[in-house]
Amino acid sequence: DARVTQTPRDKVTEMGQEVTMRCQPILGHNTVFWYRQTMMQGLELLAYFRNRAPLDDSGMPKDRFSAEMPDATLATLKIQPSEPRDSAVYFCASGLAGHGNEQFFGPGTRLTVL
Amino acid sequence: QKEVEQNSGPLSVPEGAIASLNCTYSDRGSQSFFWYRQYSGKSPELIMFIYSNGDKEDGRFTAQLNKASQYVSLLIRDSQPSDSATYLCAVNRGKLIFGQGTELSVKP
Repeated sequence: DARVTQTPRDKVTEMGQEVTMRCQPILGHNTVFWYRQTMMQGLELLAYFRNRAPLDDSGMPKDRFSAEMPDATLATLKIQPSEPRDSAVYFCASGLAGHGNEQFFGPGTRLTVL
Repeated sequence: QKEVEQNSGPLSVPEGAIASLNCTYSDRGSQSFFWYRQYSGKSPELIMFIYSNGDKEDGRFTAQLNKASQYVSLLIRDSQPSDSATYLCAVNRGKLIFGQGTELSVKP
């Protein structure tokens, strides 16, 4: 049963702490996306990778957020330092380029920054 | 103007009725369009996508695309309480741009 996995599922931290979220895309998918969802802003694209190379990170606050793909089976999103306004659900999604940009979402990481 | 616009709802329909969800987009160059369903506290799941003008049917779901008018819609026939969720429209601009979603409530 191929699916995107994300860890942790829930994270509560204090302002100023570093937060790292991990994502394992579906095996064989070559495109990975990071989204943030809040009630106010909806679903926002933060960054995405194709074949492990970053293609677009224009949605990501560069001063505190960073996204990487150390290998084809792992994508990471890091926030340092975290702030209360970063509280949101962070979704990872993966897809296969050339298949019309269909994306399959992971279960999300619910982040609360106190 | 947002790139992808949807009525936030909630849209309330009785069980068995047809639910109609609408989405408009601003970029005429958009080529493909997606509908996702998101249950409360869950992640979005793909329902269907459409590339060509006209209708595309999949079970109780029909997606309709009109590129000239820049809108895409989703019809759900014989609506069930289990269809109650938020429906997200997304437009392919090289990456997916999502609307804010429409909350659908199907009353028994």
